Amino acid sequence: RKEVEQDPGPFNVPEGATVAFNCTYSNSASQSFFWYRQDCRKEPKLLMSVYSSGNEDGRFTAQLNRASQYISLLIRDSKLSDSATYLCVAGPRGNKLVFGAGTILRVKS
Amino acid sequence: EPEVTQTPSHQVTQMGQEVILRCVPISNHLYFYWYRQILGQKVEFLVSFYNNEISEKSEIFDDQFSVERPDGSNFTLKIRSTKLEDSAMYFCASSHGTSGSSTDTQYFGPGTRLTVL
Repeated sequence: RKEVEQDPGPFNVPEGATVAFNCTYSNSASQSFFWYRQDCRKEPKLLMSVYSSGNEDGRFTAQLNRASQYISLLIRDSKLSDSATYLCVAGPRGNKLVFGAGTILRVKS
Repeated sequence: EPEVTQTPSHQVTQMGQEVILRCVPISNHLYFYWYRQILGQKVEFLVSFYNNEISEKSEIFDDQFSVERPDGSNFTLKIRSTKLEDSAMYFCASSHGTSGSSTDTQYFGPGTRLTVL
């Protein structure tokens, strides 16, 4: 079983749409959770950390369900510039980050 | 805004040659990392470094790999004898590390694309 699993997509959505990505992780010892964004052939960039209480940053909302080992990202009012690969990341106790393979989002006008 | 920098942006080498990839982490950060991403695949952890020693490494990080912090600013990854399968994007990252924890945010450099021929 993969440590972090995501639907690879692609998700093709029109501008202004709401889109949701889900992710599951297998290591119950994971301590920290993030969504990173990666543009083609570029470095991962932190989008947001994910907390059990849920958190929001503008058009982006992240949720964590520790009991189900499930993380989600909701993007409202999609923009063309949101087109990217979204990486679900879990951090087990220790130093390393464990990345999912990513979900591709394409926002079209 | 402070950022992680990496050089070179692209390195082409012959199989069996040694390469050194260089990184300058964010200046007040205490934890340093190397990750790699083979084309079309996920980002994979290689090694973490704290207090001048390796704190964790993956099974990928075998005897062909080594890391060093030769001075107060640089952090290097050396691959002693490159193989074709070492071709990948190599990302350096750093994190501040508070209260001895490294599970705070990691910031990534732009990467070095290594091509082994």
